[in-house]
Amino acid sequence: NAGVTQTPKFQVLKTGQSMTLQCAQDMNHNSMYWYRQDPGMGLRLIYYSASEGTTDKGEVPNGYNVSRLNKREFSLRLESAAPSQTSVYFCASSEATGVSPLHFGNGTRLTVT
Amino acid sequence: SQQGEEDPQALSIQEGENATMNCSYKTSINNLQWYRQNSGRGLVHLILIRSNEREKHSGRLRVTLDTSKKSSSLLITASRAADTASYFCATSGGSNYKLTFGKGTLLTVNP
Repeated sequence: NAGVTQTPKFQVLKTGQSMTLQCAQDMNHNSMYWYRQDPGMGLRLIYYSASEGTTDKGEVPNGYNVSRLNKREFSLRLESAAPSQTSVYFCASSEATGVSPLHFGNGTRLTVT
Repeated sequence: SQQGEEDPQALSIQEGENATMNCSYKTSINNLQWYRQNSGRGLVHLILIRSNEREKHSGRLRVTLDTSKKSSSLLITASRAADTASYFCATSGGSNYKLTFGKGTLLTVNP
């Protein structure tokens, strides 16, 4: 069982470059999420999608865009990367928003120089 | 803003001892969840406890919830070196049911 798959695992960008982080789940979950994890800050929600066709901002959405491509896939795009976006990014999915456990991918470690 | 706050930030114990971690939160919740994160990996769900429940067990894990004190505790009994990880509480509340995570407790179990 693959669960939640994130690509790439590691990425280094220069300031101003763009990139898209990919996430796919094979559990037929309705809800999907993007979190970032920084030392001493815990996990902070960037964007989430409660169901296919909907997306909503989380706690720290500035500088990011998302696309819920279909029920399986939820991508996160950085249009113009900044050093403040250096972080570990986690995608997660759940059957429903807030009432069922989250299943996490293994993360993408992004460094912006 | 962070909803749950874990205490202590770090805990070091010997194998076989019990480990207790606490989580406090500020506003009313629908449920509270505990997760474990091994170094370099994603979070793994441990237990979900609903606001109308007071205690849940899963193997060597025991979670309590006191909504009057807005706090929860996670007890790991007979700890093992493999329990070494960061533990996070996450709360769900409000109209949109989003999960909000605390900053975590780093548990080190020494063999």
